[in-house]
Amino acid sequence: KNEVEQSPQNLTAQEGEFITINCSYSVGISALHWLQQHPGGGIVSLFMLSSGKKKHGRLIATINIQEKHSSLHITASHPRDSAVYICAVFKAAGNKLTFGGGTRVLVKP
Amino acid sequence: EPEVTQTPSHQVTQMGQEVILRCVPISNHLYFYWYRQILGQKVEFLVSFYNNEISEKSEIFDDQFSVERPDGSNFTLKIRSTKLEDSAMYFCASSERAGIYYEQYFGPGTRLTVT
Repeated sequence: KNEVEQSPQNLTAQEGEFITINCSYSVGISALHWLQQHPGGGIVSLFMLSSGKKKHGRLIATINIQEKHSSLHITASHPRDSAVYICAVFKAAGNKLTFGGGTRVLVKP
Repeated sequence: EPEVTQTPSHQVTQMGQEVILRCVPISNHLYFYWYRQILGQKVEFLVSFYNNEISEKSEIFDDQFSVERPDGSNFTLKIRSTKLEDSAMYFCASSERAGIYYEQYFGPGTRLTVT
């Protein structure tokens, strides 16, 4: 069983729509990363959070430690948001990241 | 803004050859990582490195792999005798410190193709 599961695997939205990507994990964690991977392959860190909620521009990330669940929301989505969004966790012990399989987002104009 | 750089961006090699992938972490960072992503699969942790030694490694990181910080700026991943299944995107990352308050910053990746 995967320790980090994301849903949906693929998502298509119209420009302007509100997008939600979910991440569930089965292990004890100390923090969670949301990352963005563009078609060229490069990975950019969006958020790192261990509790509550963070907001950066049109992106909002929330985490519920008790429920072992995090969400990434994109408000007023735009075609340039098209990318793969990856959830990765720091387990309670250790410094390595364990990754989810990613959610491929396509925003159509 | 400081960034992690990796060279080359794409490396093609024949099975059995040695390859060295190079990374320049952010200058004040002390922790360094290698991850890989086989096409169509999730990103996987390979190894973390601190104070000139490996601090953690995965089961993937066998005797064919080694890491080194040969000087004050470069961080390298060597694969001694490449196999077809080593074909993947390899990402270097660095962080200022270890722990949950320190983000890992990723390089753009090196695509390794083994033929």
